[in-house]
Amino acid sequence: EAQVTQNPRYLITVTGKKLTVTCSQNMNHEYMSWYRQDPGLGLRQIYYSMNVEVTDKGDVPEGYKVSRKEKRNFPLILESPSPNQTSLYFCASSLKGLRQGGYEQYFGPGTRLTVT
Amino acid sequence: GNSVTQMEGPVTLSEEAFLTINCTYTATGYPSLFWYVQYPGEGLQLLLKATKADDKGSNKGFEATYRKETTSFHLEKGSVQVSDSAVYFCALSVDSWGKLQFGAGTQVVVTP
Repeated sequence: EAQVTQNPRYLITVTGKKLTVTCSQNMNHEYMSWYRQDPGLGLRQIYYSMNVEVTDKGDVPEGYKVSRKEKRNFPLILESPSPNQTSLYFCASSLKGLRQGGYEQYFGPGTRLTVT
Repeated sequence: GNSVTQMEGPVTLSEEAFLTINCTYTATGYPSLFWYVQYPGEGLQLLLKATKADDKGSNKGFEATYRKETTSFHLEKGSVQVSDSAVYFCALSVDSWGKLQFGAGTQVVVTP
């Protein structure tokens, strides 16, 4: 089954304790990205990657890091989490392509992070 | 910059009622427009899309028409079901990679 998986689904942590949220897709997609969802703000892109070893900042990258060492995986790293990073996080992937509007993005189920 | 504005929710309807969710946008160039749906506890799924003016996207009884003159992409469904209860996001993309700019989302609650 084609899917994007994220782990963990729920995480409660304390300020300053490094954490990693994993994202994996089995569709051989080149393009992957991370979004955070906050009430009243919709989803905002944090980082994206166009292919292995190619990453770039989205709209709200502060406090986050990513890496893309393998095509299928795109982990999100919070080196020193703070309470304002409490949010619902989604990973998404799609085919690479130069097409009007791009290709359909497939979203993972989300990771609800609480930083106290 | 690019932005998407959606009507605020929650929108509460009875089963079989008509649903409209308003969406307007501001964008440079010629965006593609999307509606995504998020069912409780799940990620987002593409509901429909339109890539140029006057295109109509449709899926699962939902429709939306790309109106360039009013910069709008309103979502409609003629007869909603309880299973349509979800959060609906309007989004646009102006680049060929498909980076999405989302609206705030509209929660729809359909009661039996």
